[in-house]
Amino acid sequence: QQQVKQSPQSLIVQKGGIPIINCAYENTAFDYFPWYQQFPGKGPALLIAIRPDVSEKKEGRFTISFNKSAKQFSLHIMDSQPGDSATYFCAASKAGANNLFFGTGTRLTVIP
Amino acid sequence: DGGITQSPKYLFRKEGQNVTLSCEQNLNHDAMYWYRQDPGQGLRLIYYSQIVNDFQKGDIAEGYSVSREKKESFPLTVTSAQKNPTAFYLCASTLSGQGNRELFFGEGSRLTVL
Repeated sequence: QQQVKQSPQSLIVQKGGIPIINCAYENTAFDYFPWYQQFPGKGPALLIAIRPDVSEKKEGRFTISFNKSAKQFSLHIMDSQPGDSATYFCAASKAGANNLFFGTGTRLTVIP
Repeated sequence: DGGITQSPKYLFRKEGQNVTLSCEQNLNHDAMYWYRQDPGQGLRLIYYSQIVNDFQKGDIAEGYSVSREKKESFPLTVTSAQKNPTAFYLCASTLSGQGNRELFFGEGSRLTVL
């Protein structure tokens, strides 16, 4: 079964908009929640990550919001640009684990 | 520049043929992984290796095989037993240890079975 559930599957926003991508998990042992960005024909690259001891983390225009009680986390992209058009994956892992569990991905399109 | 090199980038094969995808890294990472990416399904783990000469099955290992004879190399063989091999394959690596969980990915190999 899918360890991390991601929505929406696709998202279209105007330039300057704030797309929000949501993820949910069930395993309370997860303690690391990264987001990866993937451009067409390329491998994913780490964008930003959070641990459950904080509720929010910002890096430039990218923000992760984390709700431990709801077992949900989301990615917000401020002032989105056409260059942000990519597929975004959330993921989760637990301490000592050998694997990241990935969401199914969100294809973001930012229209100029 | 350090990184992960996957080859070939595109590969076509006929049904019933085995094919080997190459993955080489010069990051001095201990752990290496193979993921399969299909539209709408995210990334699914095929095999991973924490050290040389040792590897473990992931979630979808059936029809695949790997070897880890060198730290830098982790080739994946897609065998004829894999029922639906057409996919985008991604190799990744990471430093071992509690504090290191960032995966570094190669650019992928797209396999098409004709």
